[in-house]
Parts: sequence; C-alpha cells; structure tokens
Amino acid sequence: KNQVEQSPQSLIILEGKNCTLQCNYTVSPFSNLRWYKQDTGRGPVSLTIMTFSENTKSNGRYTATLDADTKQSSLHITASQLSDSASYICVVSDRGSTLGRLYFGRGTQLTVWP
Amino acid sequence: GAGVSQSPSNKVTEKGKDVELRCDPISGHTALYWYRQSLGQGLEFLIYFQGNSAPDKSGLPSDRFSAERTGGSVSTLTIQRTQQEDSAVYLCASGGGQETQYFGPGTRLLVL
Repeated sequence: KNQVEQSPQSLIILEGKNCTLQCNYTVSPFSNLRWYKQDTGRGPVSLTIMTFSENTKSNGRYTATLDADTKQSSLHITASQLSDSASYICVVSDRGSTLGRLYFGRGTQLTVWP
Repeated sequence: GAGVSQSPSNKVTEKGKDVELRCDPISGHTALYWYRQSLGQGLEFLIYFQGNSAPDKSGLPSDRFSAERTGGSVSTLTIQRTQQEDSAVYLCASGGGQETQYFGPGTRLLVL
C-alpha cells in the first residue's frame, strides 16, 4: 500500500532555532518527492521537489534531503521565523508520466514562538 | 499572473442538498486535481484529470461524489445528497507530472 508518514505530528520551537521534519514513504514506483508549506486557511505552496537522483535541495532557509534507498526525506528549517508557523506536507509521486498520482502525508504542524 | 481560482469561497448547505464546486485552473495546465481537507486532517486525494485521458477517480469516497472537466479547463466537483461528514475544505490544484502543483484557495463547505 502506498503511504506517506510524517513525524512529528506537531512541533513547537523558539524563533531563531533550527528544526528538522521527517517523511517516510512506501510509494512505489517512486518518481519525485515534494515538500509543501500550508498556512492556515490557505492552499499548500511548493517548497522543493526532488527526483530519484537528487539527495538535497535548498530553497532559502529550507533544505530538503532525500534517501531513495531508505525511502526517507527530511526538511530542515534554519533560523526559524514566526512566519514559518504552518503545516509542512510531504508529497510523493508514483511515476514520472503525466498520469502521476500524488500521495500526501498528514503534515507536521510547526509553531514558532517569539 | 492569474492563479487557480475556486468558487464559491464558502458554502453552507442543508443535509440532503446537492452542491457544485468550481475550479478554474491556470491557463495551459493540463492536469487538475481535487482534494478534500477536513479540520485538522491531511489532504485527501479525490480525483485527477490529465489532458484527455480518463480521470483517476480512485479517491472519490462514494458515488455521491462526481467531477467533470469541460474542454480541458474548468472543472466542477458535484456532491449529491450532502451529509454532515462532507463538511471540509475542498482544494483544487493544477499542474501535474513533474511540474509544481499550484493550489487554489479552496471552498469551505459546511453541511448543516
């Protein structure tokens, strides 16, 4: 069964601190993995997308890693800001064709306190 | 440029009524997805359209749910005989394949 599991379910950190969110998946065949940020009341917005051959990708203070062998990914947030408070969703695509199906994790709810 | 738009923004309906939710994807995007997000829950895949191919309907929770996409552009999600458990935010996204998905703002549905 194709699944995407994220941990922790929720996380509270102080402004300026770093944090790492985890994603494990069983989706096969694997095409790509995406991290989305969803602010409360808004639609998700893409942060990074990685294919099988990519191990790491950065977008500003966000750095995603991918280990396709162990089917694990992480999202590292550096020097957190209050605006980083959101739900972070891991999404895996099962094939590279135009008929790709996306599998969503339940998200990690991050709260950054001042 | 214009993003994905959805209408209505909010919809309150009575149990048993039918509702139609509309999605206008980004022009030129061949893929269109519908998702449902209940309060405090993750995104639940409903249906996926890609060009002229038969849609992937595997996520539709019951036969009360249906969707169509006319002319490869605008899509309508229809929920017949609504139930209280249908209350959720319904999100539409366009893009697809290796491309980034772009999400609309969602339609918040409340079934009384």
